[in-house]
Amino acid sequence: GENVEQHPSTLSVQEGDSAVIKCTYSDSASNYFPWYKQELGKRPQLIIDIRSNVGEKKDQRIAVTLNKTAKHFSLHITETQPEDSAVYFCAAILYGSARQLTFGSGTQLTVLP
Amino acid sequence: GAGVSQSPRYKVAKRGQDVALRCDPISGHVSLFWYQQALGQGPEFLTYFQNEAQLDKSGLPSDRFFAERPEGSVSTLKIQRTQQEDSAVYLCASSRTGQGDTEAFFGQGTRLTVV
Repeated sequence: GENVEQHPSTLSVQEGDSAVIKCTYSDSASNYFPWYKQELGKRPQLIIDIRSNVGEKKDQRIAVTLNKTAKHFSLHITETQPEDSAVYFCAAILYGSARQLTFGSGTQLTVLP
Repeated sequence: GAGVSQSPRYKVAKRGQDVALRCDPISGHVSLFWYQQALGQGPEFLTYFQNEAQLDKSGLPSDRFFAERPEGSVSTLKIQRTQQEDSAVYLCASSRTGQGDTEAFFGQGTRLTVV
């Protein structure tokens, strides 16, 4: 099955700086990669996703890049704000399989004011 | 409803007790997932339903865990003879289609503590 590894497990940045979280996946057939944000005690919520037919997707301060050859994808947050502090999870799935998202172990991002 | 609803939010069970966790997915959503999230970890897949059919239960950790979705909407995750290692947050998620590339909407979870 799919195996997703996520790094780093914790990340602290100064407000206004950029944050980068990286994930690798094992199943080359996976072709849908969502990112979820989970605030303390709350549910995971989708913040951005990318399909394997594109290499980069951007939504305001958030961007995701995908390298299919190397089987890794990254989340980039620019101009970080304190409200960006949360746990971020990457995930991978094979489109059409509708079986299960495989999640990474999460990154605790802390934005220091 | 407006979102995925889970009940109860919190459950304390004595070791050996049976528990039942409920999930109300978004109306009309085909796919329903159950995940187990231990403290400080990512969600771990338990089982998947497409409508009323349980298509994948490979993540259920033991035969003490059982899930059902008899009418293709509400789902129940049952844990028999609870053990301390069952303590975790149990998340339910639903998505509109069975294609795997539509957003999965999560409920707020049920925090189970086995004492």
